[in-house]
Amino acid sequence: KNEVEQSPQNLTAQEGEFITINCSYSVGISALHWLQQHPGGGIVSLFMLSSGKKKHGRLIATINIQEKHSSLHITASHPRDSAVYICAVSNGDMRFGAGTRLTVKP
Amino acid sequence: DAGITQSPRHKVTETGTPVTLRCHQTENHRYMYWYRQDPGHGLRLIHYSYGVKDTDKGEVSDGYSVSRSKTEDFLLTLESATSSQTSVYFCAIRDGTSYEQYFGPGTRLTVT
Repeated sequence: KNEVEQSPQNLTAQEGEFITINCSYSVGISALHWLQQHPGGGIVSLFMLSSGKKKHGRLIATINIQEKHSSLHITASHPRDSAVYICAVSNGDMRFGAGTRLTVKP
Repeated sequence: DAGITQSPRHKVTETGTPVTLRCHQTENHRYMYWYRQDPGHGLRLIHYSYGVKDTDKGEVSDGYSVSRSKTEDFLLTLESATSSQTSVYFCAIRDGTSYEQYFGPGTRLTVT
C-alpha cells in the first residue's frame, strides 16, 4: 500500500463546477504539499500546510492531522485548471501520491 | 521562480551508453534531489544531497549514481542506460529552513 493515496485518479468536470481532490497518508508528517503539473510542464507548489486550511484565489487546501487526510478544493473551475494535481507529504524527504488528472471542459 | 535549470531537456540514447543529467541552481540551497516520474508511479526519489560531497540513496537508486562537487550543481549519471530508465527526470532543491521543494523543468530521457 502506498504511503500517500489520492482519489480520484481521473476527474472530468464542467467549467464552473466545484472540485474536490482527496489525499490520505499513512505516515507521520511535518507538512503536506499540493503540487500542480500542467501537461508537458513543470511542477509547481500550490500549498504547503501542517494544520487547518489555506486559501489562494479559487483554491483551498485543508488538512485533518488526526484523520491523516487532506483535500484540495477548486471553486468555479476553469479549463486552465486542467492539470495533474499531486499530493505529497514530507518529514525531511518528500513522498508523493500518484496524482489526480483533472480535465475541465468549457 | 526558484533559479533551477536542468540540462539537457530532452535526450534520446541507446541502451548501454552512459548518460549524465545536470541540475543547476542559483539559490544556494543546501538540499538537492533527483526524482523520476513514470505513469502510475508518481514521483520517486533516486538520490539526494544534503551538502557538497554529501549524498544518499533514495528508493529507486539502482543503476544511478550522483555527484555534487559544488553547491550549485548536482549530477545524475546512468552508467549504462537501460530501457527501464526511460522516464522524465526532475531535480528539486530545498533550503534548510522549510520543507518546501522547488522543482526544475524536467528532462525527458528515452533509452532505445
